[in-house]
Amino acid sequence: DGGITQSPKYLFRKEGQNVTLSCEQNLNHDAMYWYRQDPGQGLRLIYYSQIVNDFQKGDIAEGYSVSREKKESFPLTVTSAQKNPTAFYLCASKVEGFQETQYFGPGTRLLVL
Amino acid sequence: EDKVVQSPLSLVVHEGDTVTLNCSYEVTNFRSLLWYKQEKKAPTFLFMLTSSGIEKKSGRLSSILDKKELFSILNITATQTGDSAIYLCAVLLSGYSTLTFGKGTMLLVSP
Repeated sequence: DGGITQSPKYLFRKEGQNVTLSCEQNLNHDAMYWYRQDPGQGLRLIYYSQIVNDFQKGDIAEGYSVSREKKESFPLTVTSAQKNPTAFYLCASKVEGFQETQYFGPGTRLLVL
Repeated sequence: EDKVVQSPLSLVVHEGDTVTLNCSYEVTNFRSLLWYKQEKKAPTFLFMLTSSGIEKKSGRLSSILDKKELFSILNITATQTGDSAIYLCAVLLSGYSTLTFGKGTMLLVSP
């Protein structure tokens, strides 16, 4: 089946801990994106990548890091520098080109213990 | 600063009602406006609007863009409980591949 998968579904983080959220796609999409969603808020862009080995900061990149070593994978690390990480994290991908829409994964909910 | 504003932020209607959701934008170099429906997890794509005045339709949902007044509306006729969701509006800027989202409208359709 083609699609975008995110794991885990739920993730618990202790104070001072780094955690990594997985995002994989088998759609052969060029561009991948990470968003954060808080209650009552829309989606805010954390990082995005248009090609392998290249990525750019979004609007709220502080306290997060990413890598893009393979076209299919775009993991997001929430570092201990992110002081308020509790949120719903969504990964998206699309074919590169201005008229192509983004398709979303099922999300990971991160909670701080 | 680019802005996308949705209204209302939340709405409760009865099954069978017709609803209109609004999305206005103030951005530089507008290219397209997109609507998504988010039920519990992943937003799913509804419409992409690029040209003014051309209605896009899918079943009971329709949407139109006004590039002069800088807004779009999403209409849902004969609402059903399955229409309960957050509806997200996003704008794609020319020269970029990223979307700027509004805060969403939470729609609850009661039986």
